[in-house]
Amino acid sequence: GQNIDQPTEMTATEGAIVQINCTYQTSGFNGLFWYQQHAGEAPTFLSYNVLDGLEEKGRFSSFLSRSKGYSYLLLKELQMKDSASYLCAGPYTGGFKTIFGAGTRLFVKA
Amino acid sequence: DGGITQSPKYLFRKEGQNVTLSCEQNLNHDAMYWYRQDPGQGLRLIYYSQIVNDFQKGDIAEGYSVSREKKESFPLTVTSAQKNPTAFYLCASRNRDRVQNEQFFGPGTRLTVL
Repeated sequence: GQNIDQPTEMTATEGAIVQINCTYQTSGFNGLFWYQQHAGEAPTFLSYNVLDGLEEKGRFSSFLSRSKGYSYLLLKELQMKDSASYLCAGPYTGGFKTIFGAGTRLFVKA
Repeated sequence: DGGITQSPKYLFRKEGQNVTLSCEQNLNHDAMYWYRQDPGQGLRLIYYSQIVNDFQKGDIAEGYSVSREKKESFPLTVTSAQKNPTAFYLCASRNRDRVQNEQFFGPGTRLTVL
């Protein structure tokens, strides 16, 4: 199967750093996506990793280890508006079908 | 402006009725998708289409039907055979020429069965 596992909820403080982990079974996926979804809204794209290592994009960074089936999203200098769900998603080779994790709800407190 | 639209935003239907959700995109994307999202859960794939006049079942296709007669449009019909249709429905599209191309999502339709 292609299970994707993420923690259900996390809480962090404004200005801090938080790491959201994602683990998955290694066969079939070609890279890994991260999306952000605010409550009641559509997901929006954050990052895509196809090679091992860390990709940095402003306050957000994403890491991938293909051999371990492991990824994380790192959010720095947390802001209240970062309170949202973060979805980890794996595209099958070819990219036609993507499997989404259940998402991690992040609560940022003052 | 290019984008993907869904209508209506909120939809109420009585049990036993079929209902069609609209999805339109002007991004010139070949691939389009329908997902269902239940409270506190991730996205589950209902149907997807890689090209006009072709579509495949996703993981939870029972009780749903789609058509893809035009590149821009991918309507979803929720039939009376769908046992628990109340959910948030999201349509997405992507340019399929590269795996790393992300999906663009519409604003969603919240369907409530009364």
